[in-house]
Amino acid sequence: KAGVTQTPRYLIKTRGQQVTLSCSPISGHRSVSWYQQTPGQGLQFLFEYFSETQRNKGNFPGRFSGRQFSNSRSEMNVSTLELGDSALYLCASSLAPLNEQFFGPGTRLTVL
Amino acid sequence: QKEVEQDPGPLSVPEGAIVSLNCTYSNSAFQYFMWYRQYSRKGPELLMYTYSSGNKEDGRFTAQVDKSSKYISLFIRDSQPSDSATYLCAMKETSGSRLTFGEGTQLTVNP
Repeated sequence: KAGVTQTPRYLIKTRGQQVTLSCSPISGHRSVSWYQQTPGQGLQFLFEYFSETQRNKGNFPGRFSGRQFSNSRSEMNVSTLELGDSALYLCASSLAPLNEQFFGPGTRLTVL
Repeated sequence: QKEVEQDPGPLSVPEGAIVSLNCTYSNSAFQYFMWYRQYSRKGPELLMYTYSSGNKEDGRFTAQVDKSSKYISLFIRDSQPSDSATYLCAMKETSGSRLTFGEGTQLTVNP
């Protein structure tokens, strides 16, 4: 069974631009969560989607948004990029919210 | 104060050693406890997933949860150079998928 896939794997943007990251969960998984990983803050929860509904949101500004489609694929968007948004963005999927979460390889975003 | 505390290391051990990794937490609502392994420039890989207190063993790995002390551990027996990675503890409450992570312990196993 294929794992969680994330595209693109690497991205370079400049301040003020916006970016969209994509996540395809493991087949059959309906829950998708997003995390930001930085050397200073570690892994921090962004948001969680289940059956196309956002169930939970972390403590991030409104520039960070996401959505989930009927096939469980998810996207996250960051608008008006700042230098501090440079990070590894990780997507995790699970069958349902209480089940084990499996992470994808991440998208490494660099903001110049 | 962070909800989950984990010594970042680095921790360096010889091949074959028993490794002990630990986390403490403050949120009594945490009921699910996980250990992930992350190699450089890769996504975290789930090693152990436990519910509530007790022990769980999988091959060379043993996870322990002591909810009364708010303390979890991961033991690695017969450590191998391929175990060199960052180990992250993670926890969640009974509702939703939100994981709270420790900052990770960097482990090096020397041949």
